[in-house]
Amino acid sequence: GNSVTQMEGPVTLSEEAFLTINCTYTATGYPSLFWYVQYPGEGLQLLLKATKADDKGSNKGFEATYRKETTSFHLEKGSVQVSDSAVYFCALNRDDKIIFGKGTRLHILP
Amino acid sequence: DAGITQSPRHKVTETGTPVTLRCHQTENHRYMYWYRQDPGHGLRLIHYSYGVKDTDKGEVSDGYSVSRSKTEDFLLTLESATSSQTSVYFCAISTEIIGNEQFFGPGTRLTVL
Repeated sequence: GNSVTQMEGPVTLSEEAFLTINCTYTATGYPSLFWYVQYPGEGLQLLLKATKADDKGSNKGFEATYRKETTSFHLEKGSVQVSDSAVYFCALNRDDKIIFGKGTRLHILP
Repeated sequence: DAGITQSPRHKVTETGTPVTLRCHQTENHRYMYWYRQDPGHGLRLIHYSYGVKDTDKGEVSDGYSVSRSKTEDFLLTLESATSSQTSVYFCAISTEIIGNEQFFGPGTRLTVL
């Protein structure tokens, strides 16, 4: 079946550190891939997406590349800020439904 | 921001009572979804709708029912609430464009005592 696995948190980094949150997926065919972010007390917001192999999604300094050969969609940012503290969800889209990973909580220390 | 509202935003109720949560959109999107979010489980799909009066079950549908009589409204009902249904409930909407990302409402925090 379709599934998403992402690294467990929490992840704690100092401000300006490099961030990687790993995400791998299992799916038939060619799903679209997403990263969502959830700030405290809010709903999920789309952070970035990629719809086909080798696409790179980017937004707010975050990037992720759709790697079909490794079935991965790792999230990266070169220099994190305190305001990036949130929960990040990797997800894929199949058959008009989105399947989410369990989320990774990120803490950025000033 | 996508025009999605949820009501109520917070509710405390007792075991055995019926509860209805409302999701309202102003985007005229075809697809609407109800999820619950629990620690350690991420988001799990309860029910979804692909049009007026067209609904289907998600992975955790037991104990929940839904209705969609208008494009803009999607109701989630707990016929007889149980403590295991204490959760944060999110509504989402989406279009049929390629990529099909979902836009989420602000959530409803439900506590069943």
